[in-house]
Parts: sequence; C-alpha cells; structure tokens
Amino acid sequence: DAGVTQSPTHLIKTRGQQVTLRCSPKSGHDTVSWYQQALGQGPQFIFQYYEEEERQRGNFPDRFSGHQFPNYSSELNVNALLLGDSALYLCASSLGPPSGGDIETQYFGPGTRLLVL
Amino acid sequence: KNQVEQSPQSLIILEGKNCTLQCNYTVSPFSNLRWYKQDTGRGPVSLTIMTFSENTKSNGRYTATLDADTKQSSLHITASQLSDSASYICVVSPLSGGYNKLIFGAGTRLAVHP
Repeated sequence: DAGVTQSPTHLIKTRGQQVTLRCSPKSGHDTVSWYQQALGQGPQFIFQYYEEEERQRGNFPDRFSGHQFPNYSSELNVNALLLGDSALYLCASSLGPPSGGDIETQYFGPGTRLLVL
Repeated sequence: KNQVEQSPQSLIILEGKNCTLQCNYTVSPFSNLRWYKQDTGRGPVSLTIMTFSENTKSNGRYTATLDADTKQSSLHITASQLSDSASYICVVSPLSGGYNKLIFGAGTRLAVHP
C-alpha cells in the first residue's frame, strides 16, 4: 500500500522562475492538501483539492496555484519565485469530503525541498 | 490572535529517559488537538488526536494530555529511544473547522543521545 509520494525531492530555482511540484495521495484517498514549511517553523496551509476543485485556501498569494487530476494526484505551481519561497513543501492526503471537524488523519508525504537563489 | 506555542524549543535527553513536551494554545473554541512527529527531511506523522472532550490519549510510548480549561497539552515520551529524535509538532483545529484554519506550532526538536 503506497503512501503519499512527492516529486522531486529537491529543487533549485532562481528568482522569477516558475516551479511545479507533484503529489500522489495515499491509496484510497481523494483529498490533497499542500503546506509550506519554512526552516524551523511549523507547516502553513496553502490550499486543498477535492473532486478536482480548490476547496479551501490559506493566506497565500495568487502566485501559488494548483490542480487535481482525475486520479486524485495533484500539482502545486508557484510563479515568479521569490527568495522567501524557499521551504519544504508538504503534500498531505486524506479521505474527503473536507469537513468542518477535521478529525480525519492526514497522511503527509516526504516533501519537496525548494531552494530559490 | 490564535496561536500555538510549544516549549521547550529544543531538548536533549539520554536514551531510556522520559521527557515531556508542552503546548499552550489560545485557539478557542477548538475542535481537536493533534501531535505529530517529524523526522528531519520527512513529512509529519500523526501520533495522537484528541477532541476537546478528551483529556488523554496514548500511542505506545507516547501519551498526550489535554487540559481544555488551561488550554494546555503535553506529550510525554516514556523510555526514550534513539529513533525518537525528531521534531514534535502540536496542531490545533478551531471549531469553525476547515484546513485553512489549522494552527501549527513551531515544534520542539528532541535529540536522544546514547
């Protein structure tokens, strides 16, 4: 039973470039959430996808966009990269639909470490 | 402002010893509180989930407690092992719900030495 997988594991970009990160959810899960984790900080919620639509969004600019495919995998796109975008990007999957109680357990992937120079 | 604060920021203990990590939150009302373990360079792994009505939850050598009156939670690790070396993150979910409302602490970095 495959867990959450993410690719690539590491990535180096320069300011102004665009990046695409990929995530495959745990088998049987249909909801994908993305988080940004700066060094020494806890993760911050970016957005969540369910049924190929963005369902919830955190306080991130429009430079951050995403997509969910029919097989439930997801992409995170970041345009016009800034130095401050350097972080570990985590993908988490769960079994939806997203509810108000959030009691379900999210399974996190290993993350993609992005360095912006 | 909703906040989750964890202490200590970092901790070093010897293998076999016990330790307790603290989490203070101001999120109110809240739905549930979770503790995650995050190994370096890996994603967080859920240890415990407690609703506001629960005051303790165990997972092997990990025991989480919750005092909703004082808005404090602790994670107690018994008979520590080298593999317990990791960051431990406290996460609070407000009652209004929604993943966009999850409040993550900055974590406590635990190092277990032989």
